[in-house]
Amino acid sequence: RKEVEQDPGPFNVPEGATVAFNCTYSNSASQSFFWYRQDCRKEPKLLMSVYSSGNEDGRFTAQLNRASQYISLLIRDSKLSDSATYLCVVSFSGGYNKLIFGAGTRLAVHP
Amino acid sequence: GAVVSQHPSRVICKSGTSVKIECRSLDFQATTMFWYRQFPKKSLMLMATSNEGSKATYEQGVEKDKFLINHASLTLSTLTVTSAHPEDSSFYICSARVSGTDTQYFGPGTRLTVL
Repeated sequence: RKEVEQDPGPFNVPEGATVAFNCTYSNSASQSFFWYRQDCRKEPKLLMSVYSSGNEDGRFTAQLNRASQYISLLIRDSKLSDSATYLCVVSFSGGYNKLIFGAGTRLAVHP
Repeated sequence: GAVVSQHPSRVICKSGTSVKIECRSLDFQATTMFWYRQFPKKSLMLMATSNEGSKATYEQGVEKDKFLINHASLTLSTLTVTSAHPEDSSFYICSARVSGTDTQYFGPGTRLTVL
């Protein structure tokens, strides 16, 4: 079983749509959680951290369910510029805080 | 803030040669840097963790004698791919962790093509 699993997509949605991505992780010792965005042939960029209480940043809402080991990202009012691959990432404390990446979910927003 | 640079951005080399990639944190000090590799349509795979002033920690399956890592200062880590083979062609990305946090900032990546 992969340490971080995501639906690869692609999700093809029209502008203005609401889209949700899910992610599960296998290690219950995971302590930090993130969503990164990666554009084609570019480096990943931090979109947002994910907190147990859930958090929102503009059109983006992230949720964490530690009991189910499940993370979600909701994007409202999709824009063309949201088209990218969204990476679910977990970190373990201890050692050097390694990040474990999911394979990513591809989003394509069309006019 | 938190800018990480990589050099070169793209390199093409012949089989058997060595290639050095530099990763720099431009506006902060990073005691820990990470090196990743990403094949097309695949996720980032951690290769090694680089710590300033000590030996790198390699992930399982990564040959330390082939991928030499040096972290000589708080702002610079280098990855040298020795005796490169075509199967080493990949996108190599470094990141630097802001001390005291879990946040890593990524460099723009180096696309290596071995002919």
